[in-house]
Amino acid sequence: NAGVTQTPKFQVLKTGQSMTLQCAQDMNHNSMYWYRQDPGMGLRLIYYSASEGTTDKGEVPNGYNVSRLNKREFSLRLESAAPSQTSVYFCASSDQGSAKVEQYFGPGTRLTVT
Amino acid sequence: QKEVEQNSGPLSVPEGAIASLNCTYSDRGSQSFFWYRQYSGKSPELIMFIYSNGDKEDGRFTAQLNKASQYVSLLIRDSQPSDSATYLCAVNRNTGGFKTIFGAGTRLFVKA
Repeated sequence: NAGVTQTPKFQVLKTGQSMTLQCAQDMNHNSMYWYRQDPGMGLRLIYYSASEGTTDKGEVPNGYNVSRLNKREFSLRLESAAPSQTSVYFCASSDQGSAKVEQYFGPGTRLTVT
Repeated sequence: QKEVEQNSGPLSVPEGAIASLNCTYSDRGSQSFFWYRQYSGKSPELIMFIYSNGDKEDGRFTAQLNKASQYVSLLIRDSQPSDSATYLCAVNRNTGGFKTIFGAGTRLFVKA
């Protein structure tokens, strides 16, 4: 099993450009998440999807949109990139149903917006 | 006040010593608590979880939870240089979607 995969691993955008970060999991998990990680800030939740067909805002949703394409895939879109969106983005998944479950993380995407 | 607070460190301990990492949280409705380890440039990986008051041991790791004090800690016994990493405390609560809040992390250095 590959676990959680993310593409691309690295990306450089100019201000105003758009892009989509892709995430897929092969663990049959119901819930998927997008986080950003900035120095000294820990992981901050952007959006999450508790189950296929549902999405909800997290702590820092502004400037982002998401799509839960199917149970496996959860994408994050930046419509008009800004330098403040320079960060490392992690996708994660978990088996929903209990607050005790752990999250499994993808390898991350390092995004730089110039 | 941040919902989950950790000392950013760095915490430096000699090889073989006990490393003690601490975390406080603000929401009394929090249900379960996790410690993730993150090596530089890598993604977080779970090392411990705890949801009942008291201690939970797994090998060299012990998680301690005190819900009355809203405090969770991680002890690493016989610290090794390979334990050098950032340790993230995470707190789960059911707010209609099992929201997880992460602390900013504590950097640990184990000196050989």
